[in-house]
Amino acid sequence: EPEVTQTPSHQVTQMGQEVILRCVPISNHLYFYWYRQILGQKVEFLVSFYNNEISEKSEIFDDQFSVERPDGSNFTLKIRSTKLEDSAMYFCASRQQANQPQHFGDGTRLSIL
Amino acid sequence: QKEVEQNSGPLSVPEGAIASLNCTYSDRVSQSFFWYRQYSGKSPELIMSIYSNGDKEDGRFTAQLNKASQYVSLLIRDSQPSDSATYLCAVVGAAGNKLTFGGGTRVLVKP
Repeated sequence: EPEVTQTPSHQVTQMGQEVILRCVPISNHLYFYWYRQILGQKVEFLVSFYNNEISEKSEIFDDQFSVERPDGSNFTLKIRSTKLEDSAMYFCASRQQANQPQHFGDGTRLSIL
Repeated sequence: QKEVEQNSGPLSVPEGAIASLNCTYSDRVSQSFFWYRQYSGKSPELIMSIYSNGDKEDGRFTAQLNKASQYVSLLIRDSQPSDSATYLCAVVGAAGNKLTFGGGTRVLVKP
């Protein structure tokens, strides 16, 4: 069964450094998402991407965050200058059409030191 | 702020029993409803989706939706120890885009 793949599984970064999290959505999916989950807290929406542009973003997704679909398969989340509070699990998700379920990747655990 | 609320649990059920989980949501015009299972340290895994009022059954799982009362529930029949996990209720609002998650209900199935 097709799945969303994320790399790396664990990223350790010094505070203030840039980090790029990578995702390969399911191949025929059109809608792409990033969510994060701080340890012990809810899964929170960050950003959605459709037709090569951001369709919605949350208050969390400030100027330090950006997303890109550099080619036909990858979908990336960049954090420009990481903070301690960016430590979390970051999940990529995709869906085929509107109103279809979103399918999640295994996540990247981001640890900021 | 659109909210999705769940009892955090833990909900302890004996093996073979029925586990009943509830979720309420605040956005009256929400249109799609999902249950995800999340094992500790893992990603959410879709187990059920429901879009219209009533019941929807899939194997040992039954989702129930009541839009008038703004709640959605999940029944797990013949609970197994492998069902021990956190169950996340997620809702898509009127805009039809992002998922808003509840905090999850932790289920413990005891042999």
